[in-house]
Amino acid sequence: DAKTTQPPSMDCAEGRAANLPCNHSTISGNEYVYWYRQIHSQGPQYIIHGLKNNETNEMASLIITEDRKSSTLILPHATLRDTAVYYCIVRVPQGGSEKLVFGKGTKLTVNP
Amino acid sequence: DAGITQSPRHKVTETGTPVTLRCHQTENHRYMYWYRQDPGHGLRLIHYSYGVKDTDKGEVSDGYSVSRSKTEDFLLTLESATSSQTSVYFCAIRENSGNTIYFGEGSWLTVV
Repeated sequence: DAKTTQPPSMDCAEGRAANLPCNHSTISGNEYVYWYRQIHSQGPQYIIHGLKNNETNEMASLIITEDRKSSTLILPHATLRDTAVYYCIVRVPQGGSEKLVFGKGTKLTVNP
Repeated sequence: DAGITQSPRHKVTETGTPVTLRCHQTENHRYMYWYRQDPGHGLRLIHYSYGVKDTDKGEVSDGYSVSRSKTEDFLLTLESATSSQTSVYFCAIRENSGNTIYFGEGSWLTVV
């Protein structure tokens, strides 16, 4: 039931930028785009989120297209520790019964 | 990590025995959640809490109960464990401001 579509896997060379795409063509006006990642055997880790403007924090940058139908997560200098499954989700950040739908995500492998 | 601690991190138990998982948070967040993650199903919401003694069911609540007697602790109890409850259980909190959801590191439960 995920509202997002992501490529199943991507590779990136260590030290290079990793650009992970996400399509969310049915996104509603009040839905935010959130990115999480899950490293094997760990809990999902929050990365970044945005509504319509591009966002940047210490971990990554988020580029959202003007029509909001797609976005790209950018890890500017990927390291081996960034190897993980990356999930793009859309949600309205309010309400109690948060049925987060993570989908299958993108398996990013950072190669030495 | 939003100050979330799950215990135990790993447990093996026998069918028919009761099991309690504990989620502890240190930052006074109002909303707390229990999810389970299984291959092919992604994250599924079991129960959530919106305050002390205030809880509600998620999408897969059968066989589980919860309690929240104080803000910092949210307990998940399997009344009589079954093999189908073998899973990874994640606790999550929702920030009081900003509404971002953060996850704990997970509790691996095996029912034999």
